[in-house]
Amino acid sequence: QSALTQPASVSGSPGQSIAISCTGTSSDVGGYNYVCWHQQHPGKAPKLIISDVNNRPSGVSDRFSGSKSGNTASLTISGLQAEDEADYYCSSYTGSSTLVFGTGTKVTVL
Amino acid sequence: EVQLVESGGGLVQPGGSLRLTCAASGFTFSGYWMSWVRQAPGKGLEWVASIKQDGGEKNYVDSVKGRFTISRDNARNSLSLQMNSLRAEDTALYYCAKGKRILDVWGQGTTVTVSS
Repeated sequence: QSALTQPASVSGSPGQSIAISCTGTSSDVGGYNYVCWHQQHPGKAPKLIISDVNNRPSGVSDRFSGSKSGNTASLTISGLQAEDEADYYCSSYTGSSTLVFGTGTKVTVL
Repeated sequence: EVQLVESGGGLVQPGGSLRLTCAASGFTFSGYWMSWVRQAPGKGLEWVASIKQDGGEKNYVDSVKGRFTISRDNARNSLSLQMNSLRAEDTALYYCAKGKRILDVWGQGTTVTVSS
């Protein structure tokens, strides 16, 4: 099972919007609306911020939003803030009843 | 408060065994799939295994099949990962997580180091 492909790094200035892509195949991202996004600050456990492509858990800022087109999912962070600087991982359920994560993206706030 | 607390990590020689445990509290443990996810030093997240509510279905990543066994004790609100024939590439921080398709609660992790 190959990891989903994410850009290694994305950066933006405070207040800007950025997008992180997550590319898989028709056996994972493209085959199911089961893409999640997790945020991980250094030395901390991951935190779920988006589930099922575009659902935000209670307590997660509405500056985070998700979408999907074909085999590629995206996470958009609008109104970028210093606290958004972290690593971000997508994940997708697969046709083999397994879960696969993305390669991870480091977000830097300039 | 929903909480997951992992334990059992440590230093083990290649070929050795280790058993990780995750203590769950604050939610109805028996009502959810549970999973293990690992993160090698400086690397990304890797799903390891998941187990159904009643323990009747288990899924594993190919690299641990035949070596790792996930199990649960619903009476004790406890999840376990028995790791045998450990390899250097199993060195990682191992997280316990609530769910299977959606991992909505994570523990802080326990570190496993495989080295001679």
